[in-house]
Amino acid sequence: GQQLNQSPQSMFIQEGEDVSMNCTSSSIFNTWLWYKQDPGEGPVLLIALYKAGELTSNGRLTAQFGITRKDSFLNISASIPSDVGIYFCAGRGPLGGTASKLTFGTGTRLQVTL
Amino acid sequence: EADIYQTPRYLVIGTGKKITLECSQTMGHDKMYWYQQDPGMELHLIHYSYGVNSTEKGDLSSESTVSRIRTEHFPLTLESARPSHTSQYLCASSEYSGSGANVLTFGAGSRLTVL
Repeated sequence: GQQLNQSPQSMFIQEGEDVSMNCTSSSIFNTWLWYKQDPGEGPVLLIALYKAGELTSNGRLTAQFGITRKDSFLNISASIPSDVGIYFCAGRGPLGGTASKLTFGTGTRLQVTL
Repeated sequence: EADIYQTPRYLVIGTGKKITLECSQTMGHDKMYWYQQDPGMELHLIHYSYGVNSTEKGDLSSESTVSRIRTEHFPLTLESARPSHTSQYLCASSEYSGSGANVLTFGAGSRLTVL
Protein backbone atom coordinates (compact mmCIF):
# COMPACT_ATOMS: atom_id res chain seq x y z
CA GLY A 1 0.00 0.00 0.00
CA GLN A 2 0.89 3.65 -0.10
CA GLN A 3 3.29 4.93 2.53
CA LEU A 4 3.97 8.46 3.67
CA ASN A 5 7.21 9.37 5.40
CA GLN A 6 7.11 12.58 7.34
CA SER A 7 10.17 14.44 8.63
CA PRO A 8 11.36 15.51 11.00
CA GLN A 9 9.64 13.32 13.58
CA SER A 10 9.93 16.07 16.17
CA MET A 11 11.44 19.49 16.52
CA PHE A 12 12.09 21.99 19.26
CA ILE A 13 12.24 25.59 18.13
CA GLN A 14 12.26 29.01 19.70
CA GLU A 15 9.38 31.41 19.40
CA GLY A 16 9.76 33.56 16.30
CA GLU A 17 11.67 30.98 14.29
CA ASP A 18 10.47 29.60 10.97
CA VAL A 19 9.60 25.91 10.72
CA SER A 20 9.73 23.57 7.77
CA MET A 21 8.52 19.97 7.54
CA ASN A 22 7.93 17.65 4.62
CA CYS A 23 6.20 14.53 3.54
CA THR A 24 7.30 12.07 0.86
CA SER A 25 5.42 9.26 -0.77
CA SER A 26 6.47 6.05 -2.46
CA SER A 27 3.81 6.66 -5.12
CA ILE A 28 2.03 9.52 -6.85
CA PHE A 29 -0.66 11.45 -5.00
CA ASN A 30 -3.26 13.76 -6.51
CA THR A 31 -4.28 15.44 -3.25
CA TRP A 32 -2.21 16.57 -0.29
CA LEU A 33 -3.69 17.74 2.99
CA TRP A 34 -2.01 19.13 6.08
CA TYR A 35 -3.65 18.73 9.49
CA LYS A 36 -2.73 19.90 13.00
CA GLN A 37 -3.68 17.96 16.10
CA ASP A 38 -3.65 19.49 19.57
CA PRO A 39 -3.31 17.16 22.58
CA GLY A 40 -6.55 15.34 23.32
CA GLU A 41 -8.30 16.68 20.22
CA GLY A 42 -9.00 15.55 16.69
CA PRO A 43 -6.94 16.77 13.71
CA VAL A 44 -7.96 20.08 12.17
CA LEU A 45 -7.41 20.84 8.48
CA LEU A 46 -4.82 23.56 7.79
CA ILE A 47 -4.29 23.50 4.02
CA ALA A 48 -5.53 21.42 1.07
CA LEU A 49 -3.56 21.07 -2.18
CA TYR A 50 -5.00 19.66 -5.40
CA LYS A 51 -2.51 20.39 -8.22
CA ALA A 52 1.17 19.63 -8.73
CA GLY A 53 3.22 22.76 -8.08
CA GLU A 54 0.39 24.45 -6.20
CA LEU A 55 1.54 26.82 -3.44
CA THR A 56 -1.11 27.79 -0.90
CA SER A 57 -0.96 29.99 2.19
CA ASN A 58 -3.14 30.18 5.27
CA GLY A 59 -1.94 33.00 7.49
CA ARG A 60 1.58 32.15 8.63
CA LEU A 61 1.36 28.71 7.04
CA THR A 62 2.44 27.91 3.49
CA ALA A 63 2.27 24.50 1.84
CA GLN A 64 3.33 23.26 -1.57
CA PHE A 65 2.36 20.28 -3.70
CA GLY A 66 5.59 18.91 -5.14
CA ILE A 67 6.10 18.84 -8.91
CA THR A 68 6.81 15.10 -8.85
CA ARG A 69 3.47 14.60 -7.01
CA LYS A 70 5.35 12.45 -4.52
CA ASP A 71 6.04 15.09 -1.90
CA SER A 72 4.71 18.13 -0.09
CA PHE A 73 6.08 20.54 2.45
CA LEU A 74 4.64 22.83 5.09
CA ASN A 75 6.29 26.01 6.35
CA ILE A 76 5.32 27.98 9.42
CA SER A 77 6.72 31.47 9.69
CA ALA A 78 7.42 33.32 12.94
CA SER A 79 6.28 30.48 15.19
CA ILE A 80 4.28 31.21 18.35
CA PRO A 81 3.58 29.01 21.39
CA SER A 82 0.13 27.98 20.12
CA ASP A 83 1.78 26.33 17.10
CA VAL A 84 2.67 23.46 19.44
CA GLY A 85 1.09 20.21 18.36
CA ILE A 86 1.45 17.33 15.94
CA TYR A 87 1.29 18.09 12.23
CA PHE A 88 0.10 15.33 9.91
CA CYS A 89 0.27 15.22 6.16
CA ALA A 90 -2.30 13.13 4.33
CA GLY A 91 -2.51 12.15 0.71
CA ARG A 92 -4.85 10.45 -1.71
CA GLY A 93 -3.54 8.62 -4.75
CA PRO A 94 -5.19 8.35 -8.16
CA LEU A 95 -6.32 4.77 -7.58
CA GLY A 96 -8.80 5.57 -4.84
CA GLY A 97 -11.95 4.93 -6.85
CA THR A 98 -14.91 6.22 -4.89
CA ALA A 99 -13.39 5.38 -1.53
CA SER A 100 -11.46 8.65 -1.08
CA LYS A 101 -9.45 6.98 1.60
CA LEU A 102 -6.55 9.06 2.78
CA THR A 103 -3.13 7.82 3.82
CA PHE A 104 -1.73 9.68 6.81
CA GLY A 105 1.89 10.44 7.53
CA THR A 106 3.65 9.55 10.75
CA GLY A 107 3.41 13.09 12.12
CA THR A 108 5.82 15.87 13.10
CA ARG A 109 5.68 16.89 16.74
CA LEU A 110 6.42 20.58 17.16
CA GLN A 111 7.38 22.17 20.44
CA VAL A 112 7.99 25.89 20.75
CA THR A 113 10.03 27.38 23.56
CA LEU A 114 9.87 30.98 24.65
CA GLU B 1 -17.11 25.12 16.03
CA ALA B 2 -17.51 21.35 15.77
CA ASP B 3 -19.96 19.90 13.28
CA ILE B 4 -19.05 16.35 14.16
CA TYR B 5 -19.61 15.16 17.70
CA GLN B 6 -18.19 12.20 19.56
CA THR B 7 -19.29 10.82 22.91
CA PRO B 8 -18.01 9.90 25.34
CA ARG B 9 -14.79 11.92 25.23
CA TYR B 10 -13.21 9.71 27.85
CA LEU B 11 -14.20 6.21 28.97
CA VAL B 12 -12.54 3.89 31.48
CA ILE B 13 -14.08 0.42 31.71
CA GLY B 14 -13.25 -3.09 32.80
CA THR B 15 -12.35 -6.03 30.60
CA GLY B 16 -15.27 -7.84 29.03
CA LYS B 17 -17.68 -4.90 28.97
CA LYS B 18 -19.59 -3.94 25.85
CA ILE B 19 -19.09 -0.36 24.75
CA THR B 20 -20.46 1.88 22.02
CA LEU B 21 -18.73 5.03 20.88
CA GLU B 22 -21.15 7.52 19.35
CA CYS B 23 -20.43 9.77 16.37
CA SER B 24 -22.85 12.25 14.81
CA GLN B 25 -22.36 14.89 12.13
CA THR B 26 -24.63 17.73 11.08
CA MET B 27 -23.03 18.50 7.72
CA GLY B 28 -25.06 16.04 5.67
CA HIS B 29 -21.89 14.21 4.61
CA ASP B 30 -22.40 10.84 2.99
CA LYS B 31 -19.02 9.39 3.91
CA MET B 32 -17.93 8.65 7.46
CA TYR B 33 -14.84 7.05 8.94
CA TRP B 34 -13.38 5.66 12.14
CA TYR B 35 -9.66 5.94 12.82
CA GLN B 36 -7.68 4.45 15.68
CA GLN B 37 -4.73 6.41 17.03
CA ASP B 38 -2.30 5.63 19.83
CA PRO B 39 -1.07 8.79 21.62
CA GLY B 40 1.09 10.90 19.33
CA MET B 41 1.14 8.26 16.65
CA GLU B 42 -0.27 8.03 13.14
CA LEU B 43 -3.92 7.44 12.31
CA HIS B 44 -5.10 4.03 11.15
CA LEU B 45 -8.40 3.62 9.30
CA ILE B 46 -10.52 0.84 10.86
CA HIS B 47 -13.98 1.40 9.31
CA TYR B 48 -15.65 3.57 6.72
CA SER B 49 -19.07 4.06 5.16
CA TYR B 50 -20.20 5.48 1.81
CA GLY B 51 -23.72 6.10 3.07
CA VAL B 52 -26.73 4.54 4.79
CA ASN B 53 -26.48 0.74 5.07
CA SER B 54 -22.91 0.80 3.72
CA THR B 55 -19.97 -0.23 5.93
CA GLU B 56 -16.48 -1.41 5.02
CA LYS B 57 -13.40 -2.57 6.90
CA GLY B 58 -10.44 -0.23 6.85
CA ASP B 59 -6.73 -0.86 6.48
CA LEU B 60 -6.17 -1.85 10.13
CA SER B 61 -7.94 -4.96 11.37
CA SER B 62 -10.25 -4.25 14.30
CA GLU B 63 -12.54 -6.33 16.47
CA SER B 64 -14.99 -3.46 16.59
CA THR B 65 -18.11 -3.22 14.45
CA VAL B 66 -20.01 -0.25 13.01
CA SER B 67 -23.46 0.50 11.68
CA ARG B 68 -24.91 3.24 9.48
CA ILE B 69 -28.68 3.33 9.83
CA ARG B 70 -28.92 7.11 9.50
CA THR B 71 -26.77 9.47 7.44
CA GLU B 72 -25.75 11.53 10.42
CA HIS B 73 -24.93 8.70 12.82
CA PHE B 74 -22.03 6.20 12.72
CA PRO B 75 -21.59 4.37 16.03
CA LEU B 76 -18.72 1.97 16.79
CA THR B 77 -19.24 -1.01 19.09
CA LEU B 78 -16.90 -3.35 20.94
CA GLU B 79 -18.77 -6.41 22.20
CA SER B 80 -16.14 -7.39 24.76
CA ALA B 81 -13.48 -4.82 25.53
CA ARG B 82 -9.90 -5.87 26.25
CA PRO B 83 -6.83 -3.89 27.38
CA SER B 84 -5.46 -4.12 23.82
CA HIS B 85 -8.40 -1.94 22.72
CA THR B 86 -7.07 0.96 24.79
CA SER B 87 -6.58 3.80 22.32
CA GLN B 88 -8.06 7.00 20.95
CA TYR B 89 -10.84 6.56 18.41
CA LEU B 90 -11.43 9.40 15.95
CA CYS B 91 -14.56 9.76 13.84
CA ALA B 92 -14.51 11.78 10.61
CA SER B 93 -16.77 12.62 7.69
CA SER B 94 -16.43 13.98 4.17
CA GLU B 95 -18.50 14.84 1.14
CA TYR B 96 -19.04 12.12 -1.46
CA SER B 97 -17.61 13.82 -4.54
CA GLY B 98 -15.71 16.85 -5.75
CA SER B 99 -12.76 18.36 -3.94
CA GLY B 100 -14.59 18.00 -0.64
CA ALA B 101 -14.39 14.25 -0.99
CA ASN B 102 -10.75 14.41 -0.04
CA VAL B 103 -11.14 16.66 2.99
CA LEU B 104 -12.00 14.93 6.23
CA THR B 105 -13.55 16.78 9.15
CA PHE B 106 -12.69 15.09 12.45
CA GLY B 107 -14.44 14.87 15.77
CA ALA B 108 -12.59 15.54 19.02
CA GLY B 109 -12.08 11.81 19.63
CA SER B 110 -13.02 9.25 22.26
CA ARG B 111 -10.20 8.09 24.47
CA LEU B 112 -10.88 4.54 25.64
CA THR B 113 -9.01 2.87 28.50
CA VAL B 114 -9.74 -0.79 29.26
CA LEU B 115 -8.47 -2.04 32.60
